[in-house]
Amino acid sequence: DAGVIQSPRHEVTEMGQEVTLRCKPISGHDYLFWYRQTMMRGLELLIYFNNNVPIDDSGMPEDRFSAKMPNASFSTLKIQPSEPRDSAVYFCASRTGRGAYGYTFGSGTRLTVV
Amino acid sequence: AQSVTQLDSHVSVSEGTPVLLRCNYSSSYSPSLFWYVQHPNKGLQLLLKYTSAATLVKGINGFEAEFKKSETSFHLTKPSAHMSDAAEYFCVVRSKAAGNKLTFGGGTRVLVKP
Repeated sequence: DAGVIQSPRHEVTEMGQEVTLRCKPISGHDYLFWYRQTMMRGLELLIYFNNNVPIDDSGMPEDRFSAKMPNASFSTLKIQPSEPRDSAVYFCASRTGRGAYGYTFGSGTRLTVV
Repeated sequence: AQSVTQLDSHVSVSEGTPVLLRCNYSSSYSPSLFWYVQHPNKGLQLLLKYTSAATLVKGINGFEAEFKKSETSFHLTKPSAHMSDAAEYFCVVRSKAAGNKLTFGGGTRVLVKP
């Protein structure tokens, strides 16, 4: 099992550009979460999916952020247009809803917007 | 509503001495509690979890935590610190009352001195 796979590991982009972060959850996990980590705000839940359906996106900061999960093995988090304040580490996590309580996190994508 | 307070933002210990990371939580219903560790430039790794079974939970790398409902605490301990324990540690709470969302504490950064 390769765990939760995120790409890219690092992304540097100019303000105004579109950024797409990718996540492949663990096979069989039916919950997928996107988190953002900053020094100021710590870890924040942005959105989560259950069986590919977005359940709660109340953590998405604004309309510039969008997330999709077209199938059980892939999710994207898109920022358009990006701003310097979006610079953070973005984590994807997955878990199964069947009795297990542990979440498996990916290694994160470090986004820098200049 | 649920919340997590990690009482120390930084903890410094000498190698071979005990480690204590303090965590208090607030939750309307019986929560699940977790400790995660994050090494520099790495993702989050689950150390241990409490899910209403035994109140003393043993995790990986010699860590353990005790759930004390009367004190609403879930402190993390290790008898003897190792240099590789230098990292940031997050206490996390999850409950049905909060829609099964994870709420993260602010983190405790552990420094291990030789």
